Amino acid sequence: DIQMTQSPSSLSASIGDRVTITCRASQDIGYYLAWFQQKPGQAPKSLIYAASSLHTGVPSRFSGSGSGTHFTLTISSLQPEDFATYFCQHYNHHPITFGLGTRLEI
Amino acid sequence: EVQLVQSGGGLVQPGGSLRLSCAASGFTFSNYAFFWVRQAPGKGLEWVSTIDGTGTGTYYADSVKGRFTISRDNSKNTVDLQMNSLRAEDTAIYYCTKERGAFMGLEYWGQGTLVTVSS
Repeated sequence: DIQMTQSPSSLSASIGDRVTITCRASQDIGYYLAWFQQKPGQAPKSLIYAASSLHTGVPSRFSGSGSGTHFTLTISSLQPEDFATYFCQHYNHHPITFGLGTRLEI
Repeated sequence: EVQLVQSGGGLVQPGGSLRLSCAASGFTFSNYAFFWVRQAPGKGLEWVSTIDGTGTGTYYADSVKGRFTISRDNSKNTVDLQMNSLRAEDTAIYYCTKERGAFMGLEYWGQGTLVTVSS
């Protein structure tokens, strides 16, 4: 199974900061990488697919990059609603696996 | 508007069974694969099962293989997860999710339903 390693596991930042979260896959997954945002008590929200494509309605301050085994999620200017937990996921093949999450705190 | 409305769930004793259902609307149902993803209390996300658009291709996490069965009814626009031989470690919120398209990852999520396995 492919292991997805996210770093950092938690991150403190301020409104307006630029933050980057990293996700590494244990083997080459091409561009089959997604990012999700989850707030307490809510279902996850899909942000990015195919490593860098934004889902409909996702603000342009979110961006994704990478391929193969190294991927990043960047938020260019943090807004109050961005404080949440972020997960990466590969969907190259089954079994699909998620990273353990990055908790973004004020 | 795409909607995924989940039902089922609740409290069940170890060894018991439960059936989750996901009713979909707002798109051509048979064109998309569906996934169940779960989240144990205070934990991360875990993929559980996948079913393709025709219903002939199904996949399971090792942790549920042989105990859970995913199915779909393309005439009713529903996806079900039959869960048998439930264990305490199956306690989680279960989410029904829909892909954006082939090899385009998950896009829409249901509201989630809590399954608690306890005596």
